[in-house]
Amino acid sequence: EDQVTQSPEALRLQEGESSSLNCSYTVSGLRGLFWYRQDPGKGPEFLFTLYSAGEEKEKERLKATLTKKESFLHITAPKPEDSATYLCAVQALRGTYKYIFGTGTRLKVLA
Amino acid sequence: NAGVMQNPRHLVRRRGQEARLRCSPMKGHSHVYWYRQLPEEGLKFMVYLQKENIIDESGMPKERFSAEFPKEGPSILRIQQVVRGDSAAYFCASSPLESTGELFFGEGSRLTVL
Repeated sequence: EDQVTQSPEALRLQEGESSSLNCSYTVSGLRGLFWYRQDPGKGPEFLFTLYSAGEEKEKERLKATLTKKESFLHITAPKPEDSATYLCAVQALRGTYKYIFGTGTRLKVLA
Repeated sequence: NAGVMQNPRHLVRRRGQEARLRCSPMKGHSHVYWYRQLPEEGLKFMVYLQKENIIDESGMPKERFSAEFPKEGPSILRIQQVVRGDSAAYFCASSPLESTGELFFGEGSRLTVL
C-alpha cells in the first residue's frame, strides 16, 4: 500500500534558524512527489513537484530535494510568514492518478 | 481565471440529515478530487472523478457517501444520514489532465454535525 510519512509533526523555529522537514514514502513506482503549504482555514497551495531522485527545486527560502525513499523541504533563514503546515504527497506510476498525502508538519517561526 | 470554488463554506447539520457539498473546478479542468481533513491531520483521499465517470472511489465509505461530476454543473459530494464523526473539512481539488501536474485546491467546506 502506498504510504507517506512526514516528520516532525510540529516544529518551532526562531526567525533565521534554518531547518529541514522530512517526507518518507513507500510507493509502487513514483510518478511524482509534491509539496504543498496550508495556512489555517485555507486550502493547500502548491509549492513544488519532484519527479526523479536527485532532483531539486527552489523557491525563495524553500528548497525541495528527492531521493529514492524520501524528500526534504529545507527552509533557509525562515521568517514568521513561513509559519504554516507543509504537506507532502505522492502519485504512483501504477493504478489511478490519485494523490496520497502525509499528515503534514506544522511549522511555527517565532520573531 | 477563477479558482476552484466550493460551497457552502460552512454547513451545520443535525444527525440523520443530508449534507451536499459542491465543487466547481477551474475552467478547463475535467478532473476532480475530494479529500477529507480532520483537525491537525493530513488530507485523506476520498474519490477521484472525471466528467460523468468515477475513476477511483477507494477512499469513500461504502455507505452513506456518494459523489458525482455531471457533464454540466459542479461536482457534488453527498453524505446521507450524517453522524457526528462526519464533522470535518472537505476539500475539492481539480486538475486539467490525468498527469503529474499540480492539484488546485478550493478553500474547503466545513461540515459540523450536531
